[in-house]
Amino acid sequence: SQTIHQWPATLVQPVGSPLSLECTVEGTSNPNLYWYRQAAGRGLQLLFYSVGIGQISSEVPQNLSASRPQDRQFILSSKKLLLSDSGFYLCAWSAPDRSYTEAFFGQGTRLTVV
Amino acid sequence: GENVEQHPSTLSVQEGDSAVIKCTYSDSASNYFPWYKQELGKRPQLIIDIRSNVGEKKDQRIAVTLNKTAKHFSLHITETQPEDSAVYFCAASKEGAQKLVFGQGTRLTINP
Repeated sequence: SQTIHQWPATLVQPVGSPLSLECTVEGTSNPNLYWYRQAAGRGLQLLFYSVGIGQISSEVPQNLSASRPQDRQFILSSKKLLLSDSGFYLCAWSAPDRSYTEAFFGQGTRLTVV
Repeated sequence: GENVEQHPSTLSVQEGDSAVIKCTYSDSASNYFPWYKQELGKRPQLIIDIRSNVGEKKDQRIAVTLNKTAKHFSLHITETQPEDSAVYFCAASKEGAQKLVFGQGTRLTINP
């Protein structure tokens, strides 16, 4: 069966520090991968998605970047965090060979920028 | 691109009553509409979904209806229970889009 791992679960970082959140998927090949952000009391905002190694689509302009160095690994990064980067970050995957996009989420990373 | 609007943002109902959450979408090509439930501090999980070739789908106390002409779909929860308290998200997608667009979420509270 497929599983998704996301870490760390919580993170407190000072303003201006770098960020690296990692997500890996097991049990499937060539998954579609996603990074979502959920600000307090807000909806799920799609930040990046990837349909293959090295292929990254950015949905909103921001202080963050994403990379997919391996088929089942998706990384969210920042060179210098802003206070507004605080939120709940969710990685997700979906099967690439389906006509519809059911997403399976990781457990999330709660990032607090201080 | 697709835009999904969800209402209400908060909903409070008495235990045993019904709850209805509504969503509208903008892209008439969208053909897949899932609903996710997110309990406090946890990941969103799929609870029910509907595709555009049907108008209604039911799973025990949960049902979803779709009106393609009006471009809206709704989640109906009957005989609500305290464990139904959570944030619910609707979403829309279309074949080949490879991504889901979510609504803003509804915080549902079931009062005992």
